Amino acid sequence: NAGVTQTPKFQVLKTGQSMTLQCAQDMNHNSMYWYRQDPGMGLRLIYYSASEGTTDKGEVPNGYNVSRLNKREFSLRLESAAPSQTSVYFCASSYHRGNNEKLFFGSGTQLSVL
Amino acid sequence: TQLLEQSPQFLSIQEGENLTVYCNSSSVFSSLQWYRQEPGEGPVLLVTVVTGGEVKKLKRLTFQFGDARKDSSLHITAAQPGDTGLYLCAGVPSGTYKYIFGTGTRLKVLA
Repeated sequence: NAGVTQTPKFQVLKTGQSMTLQCAQDMNHNSMYWYRQDPGMGLRLIYYSASEGTTDKGEVPNGYNVSRLNKREFSLRLESAAPSQTSVYFCASSYHRGNNEKLFFGSGTQLSVL
Repeated sequence: TQLLEQSPQFLSIQEGENLTVYCNSSSVFSSLQWYRQEPGEGPVLLVTVVTGGEVKKLKRLTFQFGDARKDSSLHITAAQPGDTGLYLCAGVPSGTYKYIFGTGTRLKVLA
């Protein structure tokens, strides 16, 4: 089983460039999440989608937009990249929203903004 | 503001030693989870604790949920090099549906 697939694995951008991080899951999960991981700060929630057609802001949404394209796919867009967005980005999914749900993670996208 | 604070941030120990990692919050959580992350990979769920005071064991790992459901601990007995990794606690604060993660504890077990 593929689980959660993220593309690309690595990306280098110049300040001001835009890009979209892609995420797809094949587990028929309803909820999907985007996190960023920075040293000493664990994982911080950027946006999440409780179900197809809905999205909501997390802890650090500024500078990002998301699209829940269908049940399988949840993309994260940086419209005008900034050096502060240099980070490792993880997509995750769970069957339902709420507590006690197991989150399944992709292997991450390492993004550098110069 | 980080709702879930973990300590210590870094831990380097010899094989065979015991250790405890703490996850603390001023907020109440319906449940807390522990994940382990290895380099180049996403976190993987180890356990979920649900009831205040609950203790769960996973081989040499013992997880405890505080009575007030504001904190949790992870104790590893006789650590092995394979335990090396980043340990993260996570949970959904009461009244929300947003999974948040702790600051993480990076463990290195030396052979």
